[in-house]
Amino acid sequence: DAEITQSPRHKITETGRQVTLACHQTWNHNNMFWYRQDLGHGLRLIHYSYGVHDTNKGEVSDGYSVSRSNTEDLPLTLESAASSQTSVYFCASSATAGTGELFFGEGSRLTVL
Amino acid sequence: AQSVTQLGSHVSVSEGALVLLRCNYSSSVPPYLFWYVQYPNQGLQLLLKYTSAATLVKGINGFEAEFKKSETSFHLTKPSAHMSDAAEYFCAVKTQDTGFQKLVFGTGTRLLVSP
Repeated sequence: DAEITQSPRHKITETGRQVTLACHQTWNHNNMFWYRQDLGHGLRLIHYSYGVHDTNKGEVSDGYSVSRSNTEDLPLTLESAASSQTSVYFCASSATAGTGELFFGEGSRLTVL
Repeated sequence: AQSVTQLGSHVSVSEGALVLLRCNYSSSVPPYLFWYVQYPNQGLQLLLKYTSAATLVKGINGFEAEFKKSETSFHLTKPSAHMSDAAEYFCAVKTQDTGFQKLVFGTGTRLLVSP
């Protein structure tokens, strides 16, 4: 079965360190998204990609970057982790055509000390 | 720009009672609307979606939602709550972004079910 997987599921890091969260999907979807989830804010879009070599900033992109070198993967990098980036991060994907339905990964919980 | 508003960050019901979670949308075009559910420590999964076909949409686990254009609403209901329905529920609307599509989510409603 097609799926979307995130790793690591849990990570603790220190302020100032670089962190990369991996996202891999086997749906062959062109569209991939990164969200963060925080109490009181719901899901907020960080970055998204509509295909290989395409990346776009979402509403909370400061301090984050992504790159898309193939269809399956969209890694999220925190260049210099800050305590404000402690959150749960979700990767999602969708097909180019169709309803826009998103398929989500299980999430990555990041703690920045 | 399309958006959704979920009224009530928490809703509490007793087991067996009616569940009603509210969602209002703002859209300048006929919307595609979604309800997602998130169980503890899991990702979001699709409950149901409205794509301009039938206005009453049935989803998984006995949930349904009715699209009401006159009220710009897409409320989620279930006749009889079960303990396993305790979760967070998100309403979302599809937007177009220079020809591409993405979803905009509401802030979520946590459903609490008491015995």
